[in-house]
Amino acid sequence: QSALTQPPSASGSPGQSVTISCTGTSSDVGDYNYVSWYQQHPGKAPKLIIYEVSKRPSGVPDRFSGSKSGNTASLTVSGLQAEDEAAYYCSSYAGSSNLVFGGGTKLTVL
Amino acid sequence: QLQLQESGPGLVKPSETLSLTCTVSGGSISSSSYYRGWIRQPPGKGLEWIGSVHYGGNTYYNPSLKSRVTISLDTSEKQFSLKLSSVTAADTAMYYCARQGLGSHRPFDYWGQGTLVTVSS
Repeated sequence: QSALTQPPSASGSPGQSVTISCTGTSSDVGDYNYVSWYQQHPGKAPKLIIYEVSKRPSGVPDRFSGSKSGNTASLTVSGLQAEDEAAYYCSSYAGSSNLVFGGGTKLTVL
Repeated sequence: QLQLQESGPGLVKPSETLSLTCTVSGGSISSSSYYRGWIRQPPGKGLEWIGSVHYGGNTYYNPSLKSRVTISLDTSEKQFSLKLSSVTAADTAMYYCARQGLGSHRPFDYWGQGTLVTVSS
């Protein structure tokens, strides 16, 4: 299984919206609605912010939203805030109890 | 609040076996439905799923690491471990343990703080 493809970087100004893509294949993202997104600040452990494509765990602001079309999932961060500056990783179930992560996207708040 | 904590040697020699333990506290994941997993992150790079274990002892490994990985549960249910054999410099990474939730397709919702393991002679 190959890693999911994410853009290395993304940026936006405070208050703007930014969307990060996550491209897989018909064997992972395209075949299952089990895409998750994690936020990781420098020196910290990843934090789950989206699961099952578009669901938010308790406590995650509704500024974070997820979607999927075909083999590509997307994370949108609306109303960008300084604290959103972090690395974001997507993950997908790939069948047979396998999981695959994306390479990560560094989000910069300008 | 559920907490997970990784422990083990921070330095391992090439060709030897990396051994880490994850200790769970402040809550329970002893439900038979919960999985537990290991994820690693080489310095400056992305996350890589290593493998997961179910309460019943069933294990699931990343195909790229399967020949070298063993994940096991402690009978106390409060610890689970990772062994990675024949390590090389490419195995240098931050290693995280995490609770996976109710199924092997579920996300990791609680994470340990991670432990850095360096492979070097």
